[in-house]
Amino acid sequence: DSGVTQTPKHLITATGQRVTLRCSPRSGDLSVYWYQQSLDQGLQFLIQYYNGEERAKGNILERFSAQQFPDLHSELNLSSLELGDSALYFCASSAQKLNGEQYFGPGTRLTVT
Amino acid sequence: GDSVTQMEGPVTLSEEAFLTINCTYTATGYPSLFWYVQYPGEGLQLLLKATKADDKGSNKGFEATYRKETTSFHLEKGSVQVSDSAVYFCALTDSGGGADGLTFGKGTHLIIQP
Repeated sequence: DSGVTQTPKHLITATGQRVTLRCSPRSGDLSVYWYQQSLDQGLQFLIQYYNGEERAKGNILERFSAQQFPDLHSELNLSSLELGDSALYFCASSAQKLNGEQYFGPGTRLTVT
Repeated sequence: GDSVTQMEGPVTLSEEAFLTINCTYTATGYPSLFWYVQYPGEGLQLLLKATKADDKGSNKGFEATYRKETTSFHLEKGSVQVSDSAVYFCALTDSGGGADGLTFGKGTHLIIQP
């Protein structure tokens, strides 16, 4: 158990809808990262927050957004969903701002029908 | 941009065989290098890391050495077990490249037969 929790574990929704994925980092970790894992694209970094502020962006679509709250939990919002958004979404946390070890949650499997 | 290349497999070995999974990288700065393992239906677990050239990361019998001259970070284990069957990902972070997320290889599916 990495100490990172994600909810829900599974999510099934229709095209055009909006969903919110939730992540609680390990106790004391200030950095939260979001990743997408799909068969065709592999594992891709989406976005990083550090202590409530956006710190780095990867291959995140404009339809996707995230935030980190004062209690350090984070939410990833996916809107106008398309079939191609079906994937595993992982959250990871780290104690450090840069180049730190990242600890991954169990993931949320999103299926868009 | 940064990238990681590794053999995709599947790689099938017999129990107690020697394992090598090759990983090479390109990066703009001075990356930290990682190996992660993913068991079926689970998230990724950090296996080992190295943060500078010539560092050796090791854990649970697995080892990898950061080779700057060959831009490589190959994973090795002297005697594999059935329980090592999983997908292994080589990854790097390179804050000099502007983003601190991990850049992953495509993963190597390892199958160990009894």
